[in-house]
Amino acid sequence: AQTIHQWPVAEIKAVGSPLSLGCTIKGKSSPNLYWYWQATGGTLQQLFYSITVGQVESVVQLNLSASRPKDDQFILSTEKLLLSHSGFYLCAWSPLGDEQYFGPGTRLTVL
Amino acid sequence: GDSVTQTEGLVTLTEGLPVMLNCTYQSTYSPFLFWYVQHLNEAPKLLLKSFTDNKRPEHQGFHATLHKSSSSFHLQKSSAQLSDSALYYCALPSDTNAYKVIFGKGTHLHVLP
Repeated sequence: AQTIHQWPVAEIKAVGSPLSLGCTIKGKSSPNLYWYWQATGGTLQQLFYSITVGQVESVVQLNLSASRPKDDQFILSTEKLLLSHSGFYLCAWSPLGDEQYFGPGTRLTVL
Repeated sequence: GDSVTQTEGLVTLTEGLPVMLNCTYQSTYSPFLFWYVQHLNEAPKLLLKSFTDNKRPEHQGFHATLHKSSSSFHLQKSSAQLSDSALYYCALPSDTNAYKVIFGKGTHLHVLP
């Protein structure tokens, strides 16, 4: 069975500070991987997707970047956090590009 | 263009009553549609996926029928339970990019005792 792990579970960061969030999936080779952002009480916004190592596509610009350094790893980062970056960040994988299986998420608070 | 429209905001009903959450979509092709459920402080989980034939997917008492003629995929349950209180999203893949997923704005379902 596939398992998806995200780290950290939660972060409290200052405006202007850097950020790195991680996601690892086990039990599935060459998964399609995705990053989503959810404002408190808000809808899900897809940020990035990656279908292979080293290739990442941006869906929406939020002053964030993503990388896929390994087949099972997906990283979301920024050098300078904004207040608007606060929210719930979710990593997901998909077997074929349709249904999404989400990780537990990272809750980010920017002060 | 492709889009998803859901019953917006909060739906409140009493335990035991039927549930219906609306979802309509715009798509050039005949897509798969999905319902996801997100309980408080948890990640979204896949609840239902439409079938390509006329079968009706069911899970945890919920079902949804894809009606291409009306471009709808409404979520239904015959009898609401307290544990059904959650945020529900309808979603479909983009017409122009299969890896891009379009989510509706979500419907909060609140079931009262």
